[in-house]
Amino acid sequence: GNSVTQMEGPVTLSEEAFLTINCTYTATGYPSLFWYVQYPGEGLQLLLKATKADDKGSNKGFEATYRKETTSFHLEKGSVQVSDSAVYFCALCSGGSNYKLTFGKGTLLTVNP
Amino acid sequence: NAGVTQTPKFQVLKTGQSMTLQCAQDMNHEYMSWYRQDPGMGLRLIHYSVGAGITDQGEVPNGYNVSRSTTEDFPLRLLSAAPSQTSVYFCASTKDGAGAGNTIYFGEGSWLTVV
Repeated sequence: GNSVTQMEGPVTLSEEAFLTINCTYTATGYPSLFWYVQYPGEGLQLLLKATKADDKGSNKGFEATYRKETTSFHLEKGSVQVSDSAVYFCALCSGGSNYKLTFGKGTLLTVNP
Repeated sequence: NAGVTQTPKFQVLKTGQSMTLQCAQDMNHEYMSWYRQDPGMGLRLIHYSVGAGITDQGEVPNGYNVSRSTTEDFPLRLLSAAPSQTSVYFCASTKDGAGAGNTIYFGEGSWLTVV
């Protein structure tokens, strides 16, 4: 079956620090990969996505590259801000279950000024 | 643009009570689903629907019922609430499924406490 393993938090950084949140996956076929972000008290928002190997998703300074050889989709940002404090979820959808996302457990990021 | 709308946002129930979480979307999406979010567990699929009149179980369906009489609405019913159902519930929808990278849209969540 499908599964997503992501770096356990919490992660605490100072403003302008470099961020990496690791995500690896197991899936049948060729999944689409996503990062979702949940700000305090809010729902989930799509941050970025990639649908095939070597694709790079990017948004708001965040990037992640779909690496089929290492089954990974690590999230990176060069300089985090206080406003980036949130929970980040890695997720996948494989073609056989077109409607369903399989989520990692989430990583809480706190950025201090 | 309303997107995916969930009500209520907060609810406290007593053990054994029943209630319905409402979900509506105005994007003419075929696929709708309900997830629950628990600390350290990520989101887990409860039930889903691929169109009006069609529903099926996800990973954690016990204690919940759904129906899909219209494309727009997908209510989640708790038949007899238990403390283990204390959670945050998210409704989601997508037009053609996420398999091709299409976005799944989430509601803002419903915080449910069962005492």
